[in-house]
Amino acid sequence: AQSVTQLGSHVSVSEGALVLLRCNYSSSVPPYLFWYVQYPNQGLQLLLKYTTGATLVKGINGFEAEFKKSETSFHLTKPSAHMSDAAEYFCAVSSAAGNKLTFGGGTRVLVKP
Amino acid sequence: DSGVTQTPKHLITATGQRVTLRCSPRSGDLSVYWYQQSLDQGLQFLIQYYNGEERAKGNILERFSAQQFPDLHSELNLSSLELGDSALYFCASSAHRGGYNEQFFGPGTRLTVL
Repeated sequence: AQSVTQLGSHVSVSEGALVLLRCNYSSSVPPYLFWYVQYPNQGLQLLLKYTTGATLVKGINGFEAEFKKSETSFHLTKPSAHMSDAAEYFCAVSSAAGNKLTFGGGTRVLVKP
Repeated sequence: DSGVTQTPKHLITATGQRVTLRCSPRSGDLSVYWYQQSLDQGLQFLIQYYNGEERAKGNILERFSAQQFPDLHSELNLSSLELGDSALYFCASSAHRGGYNEQFFGPGTRLTVL
């Protein structure tokens, strides 16, 4: 079985400050890892993904995440927060291509001016 | 716009009723996934269909069923509805043709059971 833990259900950052969202996973097989963003009243949009290869992955809107196998982590960062980053972010794990996604509980990001 | 469409956007019904949610995947995508997002349970996988056949099952209640039709659209049927079934139901699709296939999510159907 797989599981995902996101530390902090709510994060508040100032505009221009670093955004750091934490994600730890549990998987008995090499994982595929994802970060999705959900804006109010919208569906999920893929920010970035790790499948194989380079452990530092870059996504859309200036976000990046690093896969650390030894720490079973896949934290999401953005150097400088923008007001438009206010949304809910979900970390997810999959066991193989095309298989179901197991999501974390989500982290809601508030950006203060 | 992900290319995945879901209808209706909103659905309000009463306990004990039955509803059908519809999903049209992106053109050419063979796999359809259904997820439920609720305050209690978060985002959880319900069921996956691949080219008309059930491929994987998650935390789907026996009162719920799904199918994928020859034109690849899918329907999620929810019956004997309870207050706790109120949630946002997402459909996602992927090409599922070897290697990694990203799942694209629809905008969801918000179900309210009164």
